[in-house]
Amino acid sequence: GAVVSQHPSWVICKSGTSVKIECRSLDFQATTMFWYRQFPKQSLMLMATSNEGSKATYEQGVEKDKFLINHASLTLSTLTVTSAHPEDSSFYICSARGGAGALGSNQPQHFGDGTRLSIL
Amino acid sequence: GNSVTQMEGPVTLSEEAFLTINCTYTATGYPSLFWYVQYPGEGLQLLLKATKADDKGSNKGFEATYRKETTSFHLEKGSVQVSDSAVYFCALSGARISSYKLIFGSGTRLLVRP
Repeated sequence: GAVVSQHPSWVICKSGTSVKIECRSLDFQATTMFWYRQFPKQSLMLMATSNEGSKATYEQGVEKDKFLINHASLTLSTLTVTSAHPEDSSFYICSARGGAGALGSNQPQHFGDGTRLSIL
Repeated sequence: GNSVTQMEGPVTLSEEAFLTINCTYTATGYPSLFWYVQYPGEGLQLLLKATKADDKGSNKGFEATYRKETTSFHLEKGSVQVSDSAVYFCALSGARISSYKLIFGSGTRLLVRP
């Protein structure tokens, strides 16, 4: 089946550091990737949607300059949390979907295992 | 607007009990419906899906039927196991939703006791 690899799975760093999280589709071409944030015991909050080769579309209230998203190829997207602070500590999850436009409409999203980010 | 409503958890059952997790939705057009499962400390895994009315999705003993008349997609399993303990998310996606992104319910935690 479709596999999405997310790395790292856990990162602890000091306040003010920038952290990069990678999301790779291993056996399919991901025309669209999504980045989510999940707080403890809560649902997933969509942060942004990225299509390969295009600028990401951010959800309302998500700071573009804080959460930099790059989707340079059909198998890789990255999320960089710039100048991270303790309030950015969370569980970040990516997902990937193949197909484009109407072809993508019935394609499920395949999720990575998430990255637990802890900012000290 | 588009939204998904799930029953609040946690749902606590004994092993081999029957499971139902209710899910209803509001959407424009004809969305696709999904159930995802999240085990502790992990991302989400697609459990099953249905893309049109009266479709039944099934996987690993779980089933859900797309009911357009009641706008529901309830998850059922005849006999749960301890290993089914997880959080279950109902979600929808569709042509009238930007980028066909998923709209998630709040999740329902299932705890199965031996």
